[in-house]
Amino acid sequence: DIQLTQSPSFLSASVGDRVTITCRASRGISRYLAWYQQKPGTAPKLLIYPASTLQSGVPSRFSGSGSGTEFWLTISSLQPEDVATYFCQQLNSYPRSFGQGTKLEIK
Amino acid sequence: EVQLVQSGAEVKRPGATVKISCKVSGYTFTDQYMHWVQQAPGKGLEWMGLVDPEDGETIYVEKFQGRVTLTADTSTDTSYMELSSLRSADTAVYYCATGPDAFDMWGQGTMVTVSS
Repeated sequence: DIQLTQSPSFLSASVGDRVTITCRASRGISRYLAWYQQKPGTAPKLLIYPASTLQSGVPSRFSGSGSGTEFWLTISSLQPEDVATYFCQQLNSYPRSFGQGTKLEIK
Repeated sequence: EVQLVQSGAEVKRPGATVKISCKVSGYTFTDQYMHWVQQAPGKGLEWMGLVDPEDGETIYVEKFQGRVTLTADTSTDTSYMELSSLRSADTAVYYCATGPDAFDMWGQGTMVTVSS
């Protein structure tokens, strides 16, 4: 099974900051990586798949990069509405594992 | 508009079985796998397995193997997740989710509380 490790687990940043979350896979997954945003009490929302393709309607301040075993989610200018927990997920093989999540807060 | 509408919250005793439904609309049910995801309170997302509505084939993660049954009823465009031998650690929100690859459509979630 493929394990995904996200870092950091918790991130506090100011409005306007550039923030980056890392997701590392235990073995190569090409570009079969998705990023989700989850706000409290709601279902996750798909932001990016595969690796760097922004889903329709997702603000352009979000971007994804990486391939193989290392991936990044970047928010170029943090906005108050970006407060959420972010998860990565690999879709290279079964089981479809998720990272443990990164909780993002405004400083 | 694509919708995945799940059944309501459940409270169960340890050892019981729970069955949650996920009714879809707005797309062809048999075109995409239906996945189920567990999220314990304050915890991350855990993929449980999938069912292919076209032929009923399933894949389960080892952690839930033997206790979970995923099914799909094409006459009602509804998927079901049944979890047996419930224990307190199964207290969680359960989501159905689907998409052509990644999960771009999710149900609203169903809270299952296991308590004596």
